[in-house]
Amino acid sequence: DVKVTQSSRYLVKRTGEKVFLECVQDMDHENMFWYRQDPGLGLRLIYFSYDVKMKEKGDIPEGYSVSREKKERFSLILESASTNQTSMYLCASNSADTQYFGPGTRLTVL
Amino acid sequence: GQNIDQPTEMTATEGAIVQINCTYQTSGFNGLFWYQQHAGEAPTFLSYNVLDGLEEKGRFSSFLSRSKGYSYLLLKELQMKDSASYLCAVRSNDYKLSFGAGTTVTVRA
Repeated sequence: DVKVTQSSRYLVKRTGEKVFLECVQDMDHENMFWYRQDPGLGLRLIYFSYDVKMKEKGDIPEGYSVSREKKERFSLILESASTNQTSMYLCASNSADTQYFGPGTRLTVL
Repeated sequence: GQNIDQPTEMTATEGAIVQINCTYQTSGFNGLFWYQQHAGEAPTFLSYNVLDGLEEKGRFSSFLSRSKGYSYLLLKELQMKDSASYLCAVRSNDYKLSFGAGTTVTVRA
């Protein structure tokens, strides 16, 4: 059974903190993605990765960085969290004909 | 990039049929996806079209016309549990997915 997991379902952080969101997939997929989802704005791509140690900016990379040290793991980093980064964060990986999402992390920055 | 449009909301009665349209403009097309998303949950995969025509999966069907930049998702025999947001997404040649804002479907008894 296909599985994408994320380290936390809910997370509360303070402004200025460094935040790590972890994502792991067990399907040996090469492509992995980080999105954020906000009401009225839909899903927006932050960063993606085609392979280990490779990363590409998505549509809204500002304020974020990523790390892909192993094929199965793709981490999203908020260097200094801000209140406008309060959102639902979704990780995904894809095969040829579908893209699987993790359960999401709802991050609140106070 | 991609420009993807779908209606914001639709309402239908239990047992009825609803068709959700999606139009797109793309700089490189490599497939169209439909996802279902219940409130507070992650999107779940419904269908994938890369060639023109209709793909049927039980109560759900999806249609694609690449020349028209058009797709629809057809939901038949609606059930209350089908109340959700439905997302249209277009994949480009670099495997990036661009999503529409989603269509919220409300099923009424």
